[in-house]
Amino acid sequence: DTGVSQNPRHKITKRGQNVTFRCDPISEHNRLYWYRQTLGQGPEFLTYFQNEAQLEKSRLLSDRFSAERPKGSFSTLEIQRTEQGDSAMYLCASTEGQGLYGYTFGSGTRLTVV
Amino acid sequence: QQPVQSPQAVILREGEDAVINCSSSKALYSVHWYRQKHGEAPVFLMILLKGGEQKGHEKISASFNEKKQQSSLYLTASQLSYSGTYFCGTEIGAWGATNKLIFGTGTLLAVQP
Repeated sequence: DTGVSQNPRHKITKRGQNVTFRCDPISEHNRLYWYRQTLGQGPEFLTYFQNEAQLEKSRLLSDRFSAERPKGSFSTLEIQRTEQGDSAMYLCASTEGQGLYGYTFGSGTRLTVV
Repeated sequence: QQPVQSPQAVILREGEDAVINCSSSKALYSVHWYRQKHGEAPVFLMILLKGGEQKGHEKISASFNEKKQQSSLYLTASQLSYSGTYFCGTEIGAWGATNKLIFGTGTLLAVQP
């Protein structure tokens, strides 16, 4: 197992375009999380899944953001009509059970909206 | 709701000790500690659950005071490899797991030769 994999590593898009990111968690991990991180800040919670069910979504998250985890395996995060304020590092993390062994983070997708 | 960490930044010489604090305004069920090096993903260090236990291995340990809603990370005899930004991740909940982490404001640690 090579850990949590995220693609692409970098994405530059024009304002107003839609973008989609992919996360492949550690195979035996049932929980999958999306976080957003801007420079100098801690990761900000966006949403999480337990298997294929999306259990919580941040109230701060715009309706332009949607995430899926079909069949409880990989997950995608889509941002529609991107804005410059969406520029950030998008981190995916996975964990097993109650998270007692911590979260394993992927290397992230850096989004730049121009 | 975001936990506050102190200090914001600290510079050490190799071999010196440091303490990083994490304080929440909400009751906590658990506290995680992560280290993130520049341009890399956060890496899990340890977890502390309700009960005021202290955990650690070798030169890095942590404590959790659930009454004060605080946790502290202790770095002993620091090494160059300890450099990075440290984040606490708090699971808010007085009665049980909420299954998501709210990360703190971060502490930048720089260890110099």
